[in-house]
Amino acid sequence: AQKVTQAQTEISVVEKEDVTLDCVYETRDTTYYLFWYKQPPSGELVFLIRRNSFDEQNEISGRYSWNFQKSTSSFNFTITASQVVDSAVYFCALSPSSNDYKLSFGAGTTVTVRA
Amino acid sequence: EAQVTQNPRYLITVTGKKLTVTCSQNMNHEYMSWYRQDPGLGLRQIYYSMNVEATDKGDVPEGYKVSRKEKRNFPLILESPSPNQTSLYFCASSPLAGEGSPLHFGNGTRLTVT
Repeated sequence: AQKVTQAQTEISVVEKEDVTLDCVYETRDTTYYLFWYKQPPSGELVFLIRRNSFDEQNEISGRYSWNFQKSTSSFNFTITASQVVDSAVYFCALSPSSNDYKLSFGAGTTVTVRA
Repeated sequence: EAQVTQNPRYLITVTGKKLTVTCSQNMNHEYMSWYRQDPGLGLRQIYYSMNVEATDKGDVPEGYKVSRKEKRNFPLILESPSPNQTSLYFCASSPLAGEGSPLHFGNGTRLTVT
């Protein structure tokens, strides 16, 4: 069985503050993929990043960065210098690299950025 | 434009009245899936399909049916809806299953069962 835990239900910050979203996962698979998706207030789900379990390099994309640590089964997401447009629900997700394709999502973290 | 199209966006119905939520993708994707989103629970997979005529249960399949007769369409059927199926539903597709392909999501269908 696989599981994704996002312990933070809601985070509220003031604009320009940094915010880190935690994601901890459980899986018995040796090969798997991790994802982050964003759901803005309009409701659609937007893909942000995918990480292969063999690739532990951290990644930065503009103000977004991701820290993958296999030793602690964590895939944390940091927004630097947050903006109001970053207000959204963020989901972490896990899928095994196998024919039995089941993507498991965490419960989501609601980020509110106040001006 | 490449997209996943769900209809309707909003649906209010009564207990026991059969309904179908349609999902269509124009990207020739093999893999399609349905999720429901509930507060505090994130997205949970209802059913998925690896290809035409190949469907399988996700984590919460009870009370739902699906079919995949054509590659582009993957309707979600509620034969006898109940209030606990009130939720936000998403259809998604991706090119290949098990290859880490990101999902492309539809815009969601908000279903209310009274």
